[in-house]
Amino acid sequence: KQEVTQIPAALSVPEGENLVLNCSFTDSAIYNLQWFRQDPGKGLTSLLLIQSSQREQTSGRLNASLDKSSGRSTLYIAASQPGDSATYLCAVRHALNAGGTSYGKLTFGQGTILTVHP
Amino acid sequence: NAGVTQTPKFRVLKTGQSMTLLCAQDMNHEYMYWYRQDPGMGLRLIHYSVGEGTTAKGEVPDGYNVSRLKKQNFLLGLESAAPSQTSVYFCASSYPSGQYFGPGTRLLVL
Repeated sequence: KQEVTQIPAALSVPEGENLVLNCSFTDSAIYNLQWFRQDPGKGLTSLLLIQSSQREQTSGRLNASLDKSSGRSTLYIAASQPGDSATYLCAVRHALNAGGTSYGKLTFGQGTILTVHP
Repeated sequence: NAGVTQTPKFRVLKTGQSMTLLCAQDMNHEYMYWYRQDPGMGLRLIHYSVGEGTTAKGEVPDGYNVSRLKKQNFLLGLESAAPSQTSVYFCASSYPSGQYFGPGTRLLVL
């Protein structure tokens, strides 16, 4: 059974800092990994998607890396801003297995609660 | 495109009542999912569907039923609501790549 762990559970930083959120998973047979952002009382917004054959993806101040063999992903946020305050969730998609039952399901980590203070 | 929409946004039920949550997507995605999110438990998969007319159980299917009569709609039913089903329910859809989530339905069962 795939297990996804996110460290740290919570992080508070001053504005302007560069920071790293960590995600680890136990089964390296993944199809892709997705990072989401969730604001309080809201739904999940997709930030970055990394296919299993890729090493990293970038979007603006965000960079996500993937090391499938070691079961790790990191989300790097450059020059953090108060508007980045949210919960960040990592999710891995099971490898597509024709005829199997784990077709396209995501397993989520518990999330990292990020607070960026002015 | 509206993406993934959910109806209703908030509902209060009494124990034993029934209700249906509606999820709709306009992205022509094959796969659709229902999750619940609870404090300290994260997101847990209730049921999912890999195509019109098909459904399958996720991690926590007990007490819920689903139907996928049309490709764009995925319904989640509670036949006899229990206080343990108080939660925030999220619907999602995906093509073989990323997953897109709806805004959620807050359900309170008294």
